[in-house]
Amino acid sequence: AQSVTQPDIHITVSEGASLELRCNYSYGATPYLFWYVQSPGQGLQLLLKYFSGDTLVQGIKGFEAEFKRSQSSFNLRKPSVHWSDAAEYFCAVGSNAGNNRKLIWGLGTSLAVNP
Amino acid sequence: GAVVSQHPSRVICKSGTSVKIECRSLDFQATTMFWYRQFPKQSLMLMATSNEGSKATYEQGVEKDKFLINHASLTLSTLTVTSAHPEDSSFYICSARDQRSTPYGYTFGSGTRLTVV
Repeated sequence: AQSVTQPDIHITVSEGASLELRCNYSYGATPYLFWYVQSPGQGLQLLLKYFSGDTLVQGIKGFEAEFKRSQSSFNLRKPSVHWSDAAEYFCAVGSNAGNNRKLIWGLGTSLAVNP
Repeated sequence: GAVVSQHPSRVICKSGTSVKIECRSLDFQATTMFWYRQFPKQSLMLMATSNEGSKATYEQGVEKDKFLINHASLTLSTLTVTSAHPEDSSFYICSARDQRSTPYGYTFGSGTRLTVV
């Protein structure tokens, strides 16, 4: 069955420190992978996505993610975290089942940033 | 870029009444819209998928008679919570797919906080 696992429920980092949020997926074919960010009480904003090609994907707000097929991972990274990055981060994989192309969601990682 | 407007952002209603939430794609035509429910500190739970001009497809366990979804045009989908009860209080989010976009080019609304008292 298709699934997405985000092992870390909550992470706290200091402002300026580097960040890595983990995401592992289970999918039978080449996956479409996404990272979204959600600020409190808001909808979701796409940070980046991977469909094919270069396995290191650059996104908005200085984020990047690397697709590693051998590890079934798509970890999100940022070299220097800003206080405004505090939010909820969701990893998702696109399901090809049917014609509606649903997204399978991880449970999310809550990021807190210390000043 | 693609913009999805979701309205209202917050609503409080009395138990037993119905509430309608609108999801509009402002600058593109959305052939498919998704409705999600999100509990505090939790992930998104897909409730249903709506395609313009056809009946919505509900996920297992979602009461279609309670959560009425209408997708009458390419720019508007509505979710009506009928006979709302306090357990229906939640954050509801819609997303819409631009038919011109890549397969997963979804844009999300800003969500609706529903409180049933």
